[in-house]
Amino acid sequence: AQTVTQSQPEMSVQEAETVTLSCTYDTSESDYYLFWYKQPPSRQMILVIRQEAYKQQNATENRFSVNFQKAAKSFSLKISDSQLGDAAMYFCAYRSDTSGTYKYIFGTGTRLKVLA
Amino acid sequence: DADVTQTPRNRITKTGKRIMLECSQTKGHDRMYWYRQDPGLGLRLIYYSFDVKDINKGEISDGYSVSRQAQAKFSLSLESAIPNQTALYFCATSSGTGLNQPQHFGDGTRLSIL
Repeated sequence: AQTVTQSQPEMSVQEAETVTLSCTYDTSESDYYLFWYKQPPSRQMILVIRQEAYKQQNATENRFSVNFQKAAKSFSLKISDSQLGDAAMYFCAYRSDTSGTYKYIFGTGTRLKVLA
Repeated sequence: DADVTQTPRNRITKTGKRIMLECSQTKGHDRMYWYRQDPGLGLRLIYYSFDVKDINKGEISDGYSVSRQAQAKFSLSLESAIPNQTALYFCATSSGTGLNQPQHFGDGTRLSIL
């Protein structure tokens, strides 16, 4: 069965600095997608970035980028120029088509604190 | 208006009560999901539905039931609530086409069972 692991329950970063949140996963599938979601105190779940397993190029969205290492099954999120509004829980998620189920599997989350 | 609407936003109730959480969506997605979020455990799947006639159990379905009343509506029921069902509940939708489709979430229902 697929699993997603976020080993950092909490991280802190100074405003304007860069921080990297780690995510590892375990799968035997060859085709899948990986996602990072942000959950601010308002508790909405907001899609930050997504990465297809077949694409070697790392996805970027403005200040957010990923370091996708398929062989190592690692999918880390880098936040550059951190802002106070980046403070949130961040969830890594995996999606594949296992027997047509298209289920999503989430990690346990990393709480990011941004220090002024 | 939100694409995925959950009601109520917050609910406090007593042990043994029957509770229904409702979810409606305007995204036209065929796939709908119910999750619960607990601190340190992330989001865990309770039930999911790929169309009106398709209901599937997730990893933690015991003590819950669902109803897909229409393509746009998917409700979650707790028949006899117990305190360890206190959690934040999310409804989500997704398109059935393509692995690259993310899930779209409602704003959650915070449920407290005393």
